[in-house]
Amino acid sequence: DQQVKQNSPSLSVQEGRISILNCDYTNSMFDYFLWYKKYPAEGPTFLISISSIKDKNEDGRFTVFLNKSAKHLSLHIVPSQPGDSAVYFCAASSNNQGGKLIFGQGTELSVKP
Amino acid sequence: DGGITQSPKYLFRKEGQNVTLSCEQNLNHDAMYWYRQDPGQGLRLIYYSQIVNDFQKGDIAEGYSVSREKKESFPLTVTSAQKNPTAFYLCASSRTGISETQYFGPGTRLLVL
Repeated sequence: DQQVKQNSPSLSVQEGRISILNCDYTNSMFDYFLWYKKYPAEGPTFLISISSIKDKNEDGRFTVFLNKSAKHLSLHIVPSQPGDSAVYFCAASSNNQGGKLIFGQGTELSVKP
Repeated sequence: DGGITQSPKYLFRKEGQNVTLSCEQNLNHDAMYWYRQDPGQGLRLIYYSQIVNDFQKGDIAEGYSVSREKKESFPLTVTSAQKNPTAFYLCASSRTGISETQYFGPGTRLLVL
């Protein structure tokens, strides 16, 4: 059972526009959510996180929104840059699972000049 | 510089052979994790350790073993019982094992000869 789902395997956006990456989850016990960026043959790089007590967290060009009632989170990148092209993974954890991260399948973002 | 190192970058395994992947961190983190990534999939948890001399199975522990004799080291052994070992292996660590950001190493690509 996939507890964290990223239903869009790929997304293509024009440079300067907004990129919106989506993630859905099923476990209501998740209390911490993260987004990672990953280049091929490299380890994921942490981007931004959000606790379940918040509904928005912003860091520069990156904003994560959490809708607990819909069990949905999204990552907004504004403005998008060609260097943002990578695979983005959302992940979730809960204290009662020892902090294990459950990852989505990833969305490959391509930002075109 | 603080960080997580993994070695080797590429590793080749012969049929029936056990191989060990190294993971070292100098971040003074208590918790360490091993994930496996297959093409087109998210990261799946193999084993994790929240404290020295203790570790727990993740979602796909069969055919793998770990040890945590030192805080900074968490080696993963891929045994001959793992029938499909070809994958990208990622090690991560976090300050504690409770809903915290995990930071990843650069990964090891394991290939079977």
